[in-house]
Amino acid sequence: DAGVTQSPTHLIKTRGQQVTLRCSPKSGHDTVSWYQQALGQGPQFIFQYYEEEERQRGNFPDRFSGHQFPNYSSELNVNALLLGDSALYLCASSLGGDRPLSGANVLTFGAGSRLTVL
Amino acid sequence: AQKVTQAQTEISVVEKEDVTLDCVYETRDTTYYLFWYKQPPSGELVFLIRRNSFDEQNEISGRYSWNFQKSTSSFNFTITASQVVDSAVYFCALSEPYYGQNFVFGPGTRLSVLP
Repeated sequence: DAGVTQSPTHLIKTRGQQVTLRCSPKSGHDTVSWYQQALGQGPQFIFQYYEEEERQRGNFPDRFSGHQFPNYSSELNVNALLLGDSALYLCASSLGGDRPLSGANVLTFGAGSRLTVL
Repeated sequence: AQKVTQAQTEISVVEKEDVTLDCVYETRDTTYYLFWYKQPPSGELVFLIRRNSFDEQNEISGRYSWNFQKSTSSFNFTITASQVVDSAVYFCALSEPYYGQNFVFGPGTRLSVLP
């Protein structure tokens, strides 16, 4: 049973460029969340997708956008990259992101995509 | 606003020692969930435990144990007889329960277990 898979594992971009990161959720999961983890810090919530819609969003600018496909996979897009966007981007999946008490759900994380902005 | 504090940035112990990782949280919700995750060098966060705010029973799972004290807003994690494979960064996280999975993570504690 495959867990959460993310691609690419590493990438290097320059300031001002755009990047797309991809995530396939764990089999049976329908909800995808994205987190940004700067070096030496805890993950910070970016947004969550359920039924192909953004359901919740953290304190991130509009340069961060996403998409969820009918097969539940997801993409994270970041435009106009800044040096401060360098981080490990983690995708997490779960089941039933819009159900009552879904905040109790255990998130299953992928290994992340490490983005370096030069 | 929700907040999680892990005051210990780094801890080093020698194998077979016991070690406790501290977690203090802030929330105005009366219902919430607390989690511990482990992040080995591979980067993937591994789930360890979930506790809801109404269950203050301590839990033991093998060498791991958790002490939840609502009165002090703490959810501490103890590893008994530590092993080198326990070396990782450990995160405590807080979740609001209704319609969302916006986990608030602490800054993490890096545990190094030396042989």
